[in-house]
Amino acid sequence: GAVVSQHPSRVICKSGTSVKIECRSLDFQATTMFWYRQFPKKSLMLMATSNEGSKATYEQGVEKDKFLINHASLTLSTLTVTSAHPEDSSFYICSAREGLLNYGYTFGSGTRLTVV
Amino acid sequence: QQQVKQSPQSLIVQKGGIPIINCAYENTAFDYFPWYQQFPGKGPALLIAIRPDVSEKKEGRFTISFNKSAKQFSLHIMDSQPGDSATYFCAASIYGGSNYKLTFGKGTLLTVNP
Repeated sequence: GAVVSQHPSRVICKSGTSVKIECRSLDFQATTMFWYRQFPKKSLMLMATSNEGSKATYEQGVEKDKFLINHASLTLSTLTVTSAHPEDSSFYICSAREGLLNYGYTFGSGTRLTVV
Repeated sequence: QQQVKQSPQSLIVQKGGIPIINCAYENTAFDYFPWYQQFPGKGPALLIAIRPDVSEKKEGRFTISFNKSAKQFSLHIMDSQPGDSATYFCAASIYGGSNYKLTFGKGTLLTVNP
């Protein structure tokens, strides 16, 4: 089946620095990729949606200058948390979908970001 | 509205029992309803999904029951095992902006005791 690889699985960074998270579709072309944030024991909150080659569409309340999303190819999307602060510490999960149809959402294994 | 309401918040059953998790939605524009299983520190994994033109779907020990008129759907886990202990999320997909997007329920923490 479809596989989405997300790296790193864990990252610790200092406050004020930036950190990049990669999401790759290994065996399919991801026309659309999604980035979620999940707080402990909470549900997944959609941050943004990106189509390959287009600018990401951010959900209301998500700072686009803080969370930079690049979807430059059909197999790779990156999320960069800029000028990270402790409140950005969270579990970030990407998801990818092949084509524009309404099914086949595959999730990565998540990245635990800790900002100290 | 794009809300999906999930219950119960947590559930404890004995091995072999049949836990049932329920979800309800308001927006009839939702047209794809997946269930995901998530273990701590991992991403969600698709268990089973259904479309609103089907009332029931079975895959292995997992069954979705769908009631379109009541706008409710539920997950049944047959012969539950301790390895099924995880958080389960229902979701629904709708077209919004320029894409189909998933909206998740708040999750159900299932514990299956040996």
